[in-house]
Amino acid sequence: DAGVIQSPRHEVTEMGQEVTLRCKPISGHDYLFWYRQTMMRGLELLIYFNNNVPIDDSGMPEDRFSAKMPNASFSTLKIQPSEPRDSAVYFCASSLRGARARGYEQYFGPGTRLTVT
Amino acid sequence: QQQVKQSPQSLIVQKGGISIINCAYENTAFDYFPWYQQFPGKGPALLIAIRPDVSEKKEGRFTISFNKSAKQFSLHIMDSQPGDSATYFCAATLSGGYQKVTFGTGTKLQVIP
Repeated sequence: DAGVIQSPRHEVTEMGQEVTLRCKPISGHDYLFWYRQTMMRGLELLIYFNNNVPIDDSGMPEDRFSAKMPNASFSTLKIQPSEPRDSAVYFCASSLRGARARGYEQYFGPGTRLTVT
Repeated sequence: QQQVKQSPQSLIVQKGGISIINCAYENTAFDYFPWYQQFPGKGPALLIAIRPDVSEKKEGRFTISFNKSAKQFSLHIMDSQPGDSATYFCAATLSGGYQKVTFGTGTKLQVIP
């Protein structure tokens, strides 16, 4: 398996523009997570899905952020409008419910580095 | 309380030395404690994990020590190597199939030759 795939790897945009980040989880995994990583706040969970259904979105910072998972192999995180404080690395991760023996190990993608100017 | 507190924030160790990273938690419902390793430009990856019913787990040069009564756990890296230079995150998960992982703030380890 190719692992979790994220695109784009880097995104530079101007304040006010819409940004869409994409994620393809590992085939067969039934959980998908979106994280944001910054120096100040560390690794923050934004939202996670189980079987394409959003379970917990309490970490989504504002209404400007939205996430969808239209099918088991694709998810998007959208920021509209974007602001400079949204600059961060955004990670997507997936896991398998049956993998309790490994503590529900999460497999992270390479991340998308977002810069909003 | 969902927090996991991690220290130190950064650590410099000489090659061959022992690296020690500490974490503490409040929620006694946590039932699994993984450590993730992150290299620059990469996503975190699971390194080693422990359940609260054991006090120690060792995998190669990496050992987790767990103190349930104190609600603390630590990662020891023996014979630290420059290739171990990375950011390490402790974490904790809740029981009952709940998949949410609470991460610590991370420790940036630098192993110097």
